[in-house]
Formats: sequence, C-alpha cells, structure tokens
Amino acid sequence: TQLLKQSPQFLSIQEGENLTVYCNSSSVFSSLQWYRQEPGEGPVLLVTVVTGGEVKKLKRLTFQFGDARKDSSLHITAAQPGDTGLYLCAGTGGGNKLTFGTGTQLKVEL
Amino acid sequence: EADIYQTPRYLVIGTGKKITLECSQTMGHDKMYWYQQDPGMELHLIHYSYGVNSTEKGDLSSESTVSRIRTEHFPLTLESARPSHTSQYLCASSAPVPGTQYFGPGTRLTVL
Repeated sequence: TQLLKQSPQFLSIQEGENLTVYCNSSSVFSSLQWYRQEPGEGPVLLVTVVTGGEVKKLKRLTFQFGDARKDSSLHITAAQPGDTGLYLCAGTGGGNKLTFGTGTQLKVEL
Repeated sequence: EADIYQTPRYLVIGTGKKITLECSQTMGHDKMYWYQQDPGMELHLIHYSYGVNSTEKGDLSSESTVSRIRTEHFPLTLESARPSHTSQYLCASSAPVPGTQYFGPGTRLTVL
C-alpha cells in the first residue's frame, strides 16, 4: 500500500506570512497532484507535477516534485485569508488510481 | 475546467432507506471514481470504473454498489442506509494522461 503523509496536519497563520506544506512517501509515483478543498465542496485541482525535480509556480504558490518522485512540497508566499482550506496531495500509481495524502488544514487569519 | 456533476448535494434520510447518488461528467472520460470522506480528513477510494460495464471495489470496503452503463454516468447505490454510512461522497473522473482527477461538488449524506 502506498502511503502519503502530509505535514503539518494543521496550520494557523497570520495574513502575509509564508508557509510550506510537505507530502512524503516511501513509494515512487508517476505523477503527483495538489488539490485544495473548501468545506462542503469537492477538491479542486491546483497543479500536476510529473518530472522528478520539477518546480511549478502559480502566482503565490510554488510546487516542487522531489528528484526521486517520492515527495513534494507546496510553498505559499504572503498567505491571504482566501488561501484557507484543506490542502491534499495525491500520487498517481498503477491504473491511474490516486493515493491521497493525510491532508493539511490551513487557516489564514487577518 | 472540468464538468462533473453530483446530485443531490445534501441528503438526510432514515435508516433502512434505499438511495442512489448520481454522478455525471461531460468530458468523455473513461475512468470514474467514488470516494468517501469525513470532514477535514483524507479521501478513501470505494469504487472505480475504467469504462462502460467495468466496475471495481476500491481500497476502503463499502456496502454500496455502482454501475456504469453509459460513459458519462456512474451512480452509487445503498440498498439499506445506516447511520454508519453518514459521510461525504465525492465522484471524480480522469483523463488518461497523466491521471489527474477532476471532482464533483460532493453529496453530503446523513442517515438518521
């Protein structure tokens, strides 16, 4: 069984601060996705990374896929209240099935 | 932008009732999935389908069943709902490469 552990599990910060969320596994994934989910809604795809060492930037969000394709990180610069939500990483294994991480609940306060 | 729909969004029913949760997608994706999620927690795969007439059980055991008669439609049925089935149910579909999944808004089920 492929497991993805995210850290931290909970994060409460002030507006303007920077933060990093980690997603780690002992297994290799062919690709890795990051999702953000708000209460009562489905996860919304933020990014897909497919190449070891790949770095993708989306405005204030920076995503990195580890060289060995076993881990990933999400860095948010100057967090805003609108960034509040549950962040989920998910790795693609055999058969296009996703293994979801344990989740990071982020709260950004004014 | 993905087009995947779930109905109903919220459902409160009594124990023993039969229910069907609907999921439809307009992207022509062959692969579709059902997940179960408790609030703020990770997603657990309960069913998936790789195409018409193909269904498989996921990693988390579930008393629900699914069918895939049409590419765009992947309903989930509970023959006799129980309070332990209370949860959020999320439907997703994926394109072949690189396997990214797109989610519907979910159905929040409460069984009294």
